[in-house]
Amino acid sequence: DAGVIQSPRHEVTEMGQEVTLRCKPISGHDYLFWYRQTMMRGLELLIYFNNNVPIDDSGMPEDRFSAKMPNASFSTLKIQPSEPRDSAVYFCASRPTDLNTEAFFGQGTRLTVV
Amino acid sequence: AQSVAQPEDQVNVAEGNPLTVKCTYSVSGNPYLFWYVQYPNRGLQFLLKYITGDNLVKGSYGFEAEFNKSQTSFHLKKPSALVSDSALYFCAVRWEPGGFKTIFGAGTRLFVKA
Repeated sequence: DAGVIQSPRHEVTEMGQEVTLRCKPISGHDYLFWYRQTMMRGLELLIYFNNNVPIDDSGMPEDRFSAKMPNASFSTLKIQPSEPRDSAVYFCASRPTDLNTEAFFGQGTRLTVV
Repeated sequence: AQSVAQPEDQVNVAEGNPLTVKCTYSVSGNPYLFWYVQYPNRGLQFLLKYITGDNLVKGSYGFEAEFNKSQTSFHLKKPSALVSDSALYFCAVRWEPGGFKTIFGAGTRLFVKA
């Protein structure tokens, strides 16, 4: 398996534009997580899905952020409109149902909003 | 509230010396504890985990960690540090009952000097 795949690896956009980050979890993993990493706040859990259903979105910072998982092999995190303070590295992770198993992380998307 | 603390922003150690990266947690319920490592411009890589059983857990690259329930700690250790161990280390916790939500500490940057 190729692991968790995120795209793009880097994204530079202008303030006010819509940004869509993409994630392909590991096949067979029932849980998918979106995290945001910044120097100030560290690694924050934004939202997670189980079997494509959002379970906890309490970490989503504002209504400008939305996430979807239309099927078991694809998820998106959208920011509309984007702001400079959204600049961060966004990670997607997936794991199976087995509680004893760790999460596997993608390489991340570095977002810069100018 | 559930939390993970890594009290040191940075740890400096000479190559060949033992290293310790500290982690304490506070959760209501049974903890599942993890250590991840992040190299520059990379995603998080799993190192080791404590689920149940032996309090001393051995993981990748010669790392180990000791679960101490009374002190609610899970410190990461290595008997002899390598320059290549220099990276950002994250402690994480999941808890039962608590679902599948995993929270991360702020991270500790390890510098190993030759």
